[in-house]
Amino acid sequence: QKEVEQDPGPLSVPEGAIVSLNCTYSNSAFQYFMWYRQYSRKGPELLMYTYSSGNKEDGRFTAQVDKSSKYISLFIRDSQPSDSATYLCATLLNDYKLSFGAGTTVTVRA
Amino acid sequence: NAGVMQNPRHLVRRRGQEARLRCSPMKGHSHVYWYRQLPEEGLKFMVYLQKENIIDESGMPKERFSAEFPKEGPSILRIQQVVRGDSAAYFCASSTDGQGEQYFGPGTRLTVT
Repeated sequence: QKEVEQDPGPLSVPEGAIVSLNCTYSNSAFQYFMWYRQYSRKGPELLMYTYSSGNKEDGRFTAQVDKSSKYISLFIRDSQPSDSATYLCATLLNDYKLSFGAGTTVTVRA
Repeated sequence: NAGVMQNPRHLVRRRGQEARLRCSPMKGHSHVYWYRQLPEEGLKFMVYLQKENIIDESGMPKERFSAEFPKEGPSILRIQQVVRGDSAAYFCASSTDGQGEQYFGPGTRLTVT
């Protein structure tokens, strides 16, 4: 069983819509959860970082962790064409080993 | 401050040849990680190195793959006798310590023909 499962999409939304991205994870011991953004032909960059359960907001981005259902979410409000990218959820298996989902490709149409 | 540098960005090798992928970490970073991204799959951890030491190579295939991070110069991921299944994007990341945020390079896309 994979540590993190993510629907690869793709997802296409009109500009200004809310983008909703989700992942599930397998091990209830996981504590750290991340969302990375990866533009085409680039390396991933850290977007959001949460510890344990709850919400974290940063501008137009909100990350949620629901440990009871082992579910992590990323919401992008007022989406822009510049948000078009692949979004990867990840968890930290130990101090340094990241485990990634397959990534969801998002296109925001102008 | 330059980010993580990887070269070459694209590498084409015939089956049986050797591939050498180089990674220069961000300035001040002494911890390097290599990940592989296969089509339709997420990045998979391969190896974690500090200067002159391999800390964790649990994600490395047992044969044909090796990694080093010498005292001077970039980290090298070496793949001997490449096969078509080695075709992937290989990403390097670096951090200041073993628990800090990992900053990723742009990747090397290896194609084996």
